[in-house]
Amino acid sequence: GENVEQHPSTLSVQEGDSAVIKCTYSDSASNYFPWYKQELGKRPQLIIDIRSNVGEKKDQRIAVTLNKTAKHFSLHITETQPEDSAVYFCAAFEFSGGYNKLIFGAGTRLAVHP
Amino acid sequence: KAGVTQTPRYLIKTRGQQVTLSCSPISGHRSVSWYQQTPGQGLQFLFEYFSETQRNKGNFPGRFSGRQFSNSRSEMNVSTLELGDSALYLCASSLSTTGNPLPLHFGNGTRLTVT
Repeated sequence: GENVEQHPSTLSVQEGDSAVIKCTYSDSASNYFPWYKQELGKRPQLIIDIRSNVGEKKDQRIAVTLNKTAKHFSLHITETQPEDSAVYFCAAFEFSGGYNKLIFGAGTRLAVHP
Repeated sequence: KAGVTQTPRYLIKTRGQQVTLSCSPISGHRSVSWYQQTPGQGLQFLFEYFSETQRNKGNFPGRFSGRQFSNSRSEMNVSTLELGDSALYLCASSLSTTGNPLPLHFGNGTRLTVT
């Protein structure tokens, strides 16, 4: 089955700096890669996603890139703000003939210091 | 539109007991997935239901089971609770119907503590 590895597990940046979180996946048939942000005590919320027919997607300060050949995808946050502090999870859709089986990475705890 | 609703928010049980958690998906969503979240293991997939049928199951023991009703509401049950079952249980719903993946929308979760 699908396996998703996420790095780093913790990331500390100064406000205004950029942050990059990287994930690798094992199943070359995976075709959908969402990113979720989970603030302390709250539900995971989708912040951006990308499909395998697209190499890059941007939404204001957030961008995701996908390299299908290398089987890795990355989240880029520019001009970080203290409210970006949270745990970020990447995920890959396991294409096993089933549906909605998202396999998540272990998470990255991002701390943005003023 | 109301989000995914999970009840109860908190539960404290003792070892050996059983527990039932409830999830009401977003109106119109027929796919409901369950995940276990622990500090050490992240988000682990339990199972997914669509139109009252379990379509996918994760690597959890048979003590973990679920079902879905005709109104798409779902319940999960854990029998013979163990200390290691203490976790946040998250339910997520989606519009996806045919295997074309669409975003999951999560509820606030039920925090289960087993003593």
